[in-house]
Amino acid sequence: AQTVTQSQPEMSVQEAETVTLSCTYDTSENNYYLFWYKQPPSRQMILVIRQEAYKQQNATENRFSVNFQKAAKSFSLKISDSQLGDTAMYFCAFMRKNTGNQFYFGTGTSLTVIP
Amino acid sequence: DVKVTQSSRYLVKRTGEKVFLECVQDMDHENMFWYRQDPGLGLRLIYFSYDVKMKEKGDIPEGYSVSREKKERFSLILESASTNQTSMYLCASSLSGAGDTQYFGPGTRLTVL
Repeated sequence: AQTVTQSQPEMSVQEAETVTLSCTYDTSENNYYLFWYKQPPSRQMILVIRQEAYKQQNATENRFSVNFQKAAKSFSLKISDSQLGDTAMYFCAFMRKNTGNQFYFGTGTSLTVIP
Repeated sequence: DVKVTQSSRYLVKRTGEKVFLECVQDMDHENMFWYRQDPGLGLRLIYFSYDVKMKEKGDIPEGYSVSREKKERFSLILESASTNQTSMYLCASSLSGAGDTQYFGPGTRLTVL
């Protein structure tokens, strides 16, 4: 079974500052995909960023970037210039290649951006 | 944009009732999923389907069943609701390609009294 661990249940950050959310995973696979999802208080889950394990370059999406360390099985999310709208629950997810797109989710990190 | 809709945002049922949660997606996705979300436990997969009339058990299928008669619709059924099934239920869909993103519905908050 795949396991995804998010060791920070809650975090806070001052507006305009940078914050990093951690995620580690356990797998014996070599080809897989990693995702960060955001769930604002309105509860609709949306994709933040996606990483393919065979790509060494870290994915970036505007203020969001990841630090993917394959050997360490680590996949952290960095949010730069934090905004109030970034307040949400963040979930890390793992997907093996060619498995019917089944995701394995971490337990989530609740991020609060403080004005 | 992909749109995944769920029939109810909030639902209150009594113990022993049969409960239907409906999910519809409008992007011709092959895969559909049902999760439950509980504080401190993240999202846990109940069932998923990769084609019409096909279903696969997820990590916590006990007490649930599903139905997929049409490609765009995936129903979760609680045959006899129990209080421990009080939870947030999320539906998702995706294409069948490797690494394809899952798109989520807004969720149904189910309370079983």
